[in-house]
Amino acid sequence: DTAVSQTPKYLVTQMGNDKSIKCEQNLGHDTMYWYKQDSKKFLKIMFSYNNKELIINETVPNRFSPKSPDKAHLNLHINSLELGDSAVYFCASSQDIGGYTFGSGTRLTVV
Amino acid sequence: QKEVEQNSGPLSVPEGAIASLNCTYSDRGSQSFFWYRQYSGKSPELIMSIYSNGDKEDGRFTAQLNKASQYVSLLIRDSQPSDSATYLCAVSEYGGSQGNLIFGKGTKLSVKP
Repeated sequence: DTAVSQTPKYLVTQMGNDKSIKCEQNLGHDTMYWYKQDSKKFLKIMFSYNNKELIINETVPNRFSPKSPDKAHLNLHINSLELGDSAVYFCASSQDIGGYTFGSGTRLTVV
Repeated sequence: QKEVEQNSGPLSVPEGAIASLNCTYSDRGSQSFFWYRQYSGKSPELIMSIYSNGDKEDGRFTAQLNKASQYVSLLIRDSQPSDSATYLCAVSEYGGSQGNLIFGKGTKLSVKP
């Protein structure tokens, strides 16, 4: 039973499209995150969500919006996709700081 | 801007040797420090956490923290080819569940049989 699951694993789409990535955790963790890993393998925080409090990294374009229907889910919606959005997106969750459990990642390719 | 610096490598060591991975961080107020291992095409997995100055050992892994020098390291003893991966250093300014982890760019380790 996967602790943090992301879907889809691969996503290929055209520029200008809108897409969503889903994330679910069954660990009972309070905090969920979205990270972006670029082609140079650099992991950067995009959002964290804890008890309905959203913390946004100020460098994230507003085309990206997280949506959390409940504590176990944090989905990522992306509007008007651009070539530079191509990356691997990781969802993660934690209860105590550092105890991050990562999902398997979603490789997004914008063509 | 808070930064975490790592030598990108690749770091190549022979099987059975000690691999030494280093990391420095810019925020003197940082409280929590972590090492993650990421195999190619996989997600990061936590291998060590350290919160106070000194050494922390877990099997073949030893994490070392020196807050005065803003330096954290990971030693891997008796390196195995299966240790070949990218090692990510991560730092948080918080000790609780509120903070986000800031990751370094990772050091790629290659263990040669």
